[in-house]
Amino acid sequence: KNEVEQSPQNLTAQEGEFITINCSYSVGISALHWLQQHPGGGIVSLFMLSSGKKKHGRLIATINIQEKHSSLHITASHPRDSAVYICAVPSQGAQKLVFGQGTRLTINP
Amino acid sequence: DTAVSQTPKYLVTQMGNDKSIKCEQNLGHDTMYWYKQDSKKFLKIMFSYNNKELIINETVPNRFSPKSPDKAHLNLHINSLELGDSAVYFCASSQVGTATEAFFGQGTRLTVV
Repeated sequence: KNEVEQSPQNLTAQEGEFITINCSYSVGISALHWLQQHPGGGIVSLFMLSSGKKKHGRLIATINIQEKHSSLHITASHPRDSAVYICAVPSQGAQKLVFGQGTRLTINP
Repeated sequence: DTAVSQTPKYLVTQMGNDKSIKCEQNLGHDTMYWYKQDSKKFLKIMFSYNNKELIINETVPNRFSPKSPDKAHLNLHINSLELGDSAVYFCASSQVGTATEAFFGQGTRLTVV
């Protein structure tokens, strides 16, 4: 079993819908990363959070350290949000990141 | 000005060849990484270097040899390429020891034919 599990693996929605992607992890962590990978490949860091909630525009990330769970929400989704979203946690004394398997999000117009 | 840059972006080569991928970061980070992304988009650590020293080698075949001439550069050399080496390779950097943001290069898509 992977240390980091994401759900769903694939998600298709209509433009404007509210999106939630979940991430559960099994190790104690100091922070959790949410990353975005667009078709064509580059990986961009969206959030790094260690408690509570962070917001960037239409993106909101929350984390519950006690429950070892984080969620990424997208409000008023748009086709340009279509991408793979990946959560990752530091491991081995923050010497590396361990990744979830990613959630492929497709927003249809 | 690109924070983490890796070259080339695409690499197509024949089995048995030797190739290198270069990575440079201008963020002043002390730790650099190589990650491999397989055909299912799953990312996994290969190597981690801290201040030019190898910290993590995650059961990677010894055909893969990272080289860090200074803490701003981490190159990946691959000998005797095999079909199974086809993947996207990402370089990244961060400040280790604290929970800090990781910055990724744009990836190198390696195709071995």
